[in-house]
Amino acid sequence: EAGVTQSPTHLIKTRGQQATLRCSPISGHTSVYWYQQALGLGLQFLLWYDEGEERNRGNFPPRFSGRQFPNYSSELNVNALELEDSALYLCASNDPGRVLASGRAHTGELFFGEGSRLTVL
Amino acid sequence: GENVEQHPSTLSVQEGDSAVIKCTYSDSASNYFPWYKQELGKRPQLIIDIRSNVGEKKDQRIAVTLNKTAKHFSLHITETQPEDSAVYFCAATPPKIIFGSGTRLSIRP
Repeated sequence: EAGVTQSPTHLIKTRGQQATLRCSPISGHTSVYWYQQALGLGLQFLLWYDEGEERNRGNFPPRFSGRQFPNYSSELNVNALELEDSALYLCASNDPGRVLASGRAHTGELFFGEGSRLTVL
Repeated sequence: GENVEQHPSTLSVQEGDSAVIKCTYSDSASNYFPWYKQELGKRPQLIIDIRSNVGEKKDQRIAVTLNKTAKHFSLHITETQPEDSAVYFCAATPPKIIFGSGTRLSIRP
């Protein structure tokens, strides 16, 4: 079974440009999460998509956006790139599990991709 | 949970000794607490998890304890080995999966 795949592996951009990163989840997984990992630091939550809808976003400016397609793959767009956007962007997918009356229960293992390393010059 | 604090940020232990990493969370709705290990240059991978209806879970040399009243949970690694050297992240969910800031664990030979 194929794991989570991300592209491109590396991306070099200059300030002010736009970057698009892509993620394909594990087959059967409907949830996709995006995290930013700056060098040597933690996993900062960016966005969460499930069933094509944005379910939640982290404390990032609106120039970080994305979408999830009908096949559950996802795209992360970063507009007006700044130097501090240089980081490893990790995508992860999981199976949300049971649907509760209040909505899906988001428990279960996250499967990460290898990441896309974005360098902004 | 909305906020997850993790301590310490770095930890160095002698091979064979135990290591303990602690996390606290703020959202009382959180009911699932996984731990991930990220080796240098690799992706994070789940090593153990615990749900809110359980106080402790063990898997060989790794154990996790949960205190829901105090909103904290801990990772315990016994008989540490060189391959345990990595960055460890705790997390709490739902509604979204928020990670702690990570602990860089080094095992001294």
